[in-house]
Amino acid sequence: GENVEQHPSTLSVQEGDSAVIKCTYSDSASNYFPWYKQELGKGPQLIIDIRSNVGEKKDQRIAVTLNKTAKHFSLHITETQPEDSAVYFCAASISGGSYIPTFGRGTSLIVHP
Amino acid sequence: DTGVSQNPRHKITKRGQNVTFRCDPISEHNRLYWYRQTLGQGPEFLTYFQNEAQLEKSRLLSDRFSAERPKGSFSTLEIQRTEQGDSAMYLCASKAKGTGGAGELFFGEGSRLTVL
Repeated sequence: GENVEQHPSTLSVQEGDSAVIKCTYSDSASNYFPWYKQELGKGPQLIIDIRSNVGEKKDQRIAVTLNKTAKHFSLHITETQPEDSAVYFCAASISGGSYIPTFGRGTSLIVHP
Repeated sequence: DTGVSQNPRHKITKRGQNVTFRCDPISEHNRLYWYRQTLGQGPEFLTYFQNEAQLEKSRLLSDRFSAERPKGSFSTLEIQRTEQGDSAMYLCASKAKGTGGAGELFFGEGSRLTVL
């Protein structure tokens, strides 16, 4: 089955800095890569996703990049704000049929004011 | 609120007791997922339903676990003879049909189980 590795487990930045979270996946058939943000006491919430037919996607201060050859994808957050503090999860899945996202272990992002 | 609703939010039980969690998905979402999350880990897949049919179960779902989704609406997850290792957050998520075979899972806030 799919295995998703995520690094770092904790990331501490100053407000205004950029943050980068990296993930690798094992199944070359995976073609859909969502990122979720989980705030304390809440369930994960989708913030951005990317499909394997594109290399990069951007939405305001967040962007994702995908390298299919290396089976590697990353989340980039620019101009971080204290409200960005949360746990971020990457996931990988095969679209269609039994769509079952496999999640990474999470990155706790702390943005210091 | 029209999001995914889970009850109870927190359950404390003694080892060996049975517990049941309920999930009410977003209306008209045909897929419903159960995940388990332990401290410092990402959500781990347990099982999912398409309408009322349970289509896949993880190896994590031992014989003590059973899930149902009668009539394709709400779902229940029952754990029999609980063990301390069952202590975790149980997350339910639903997904709309027609999203190209992928798309967003809408998670509830979870049901936290503590087994003493």
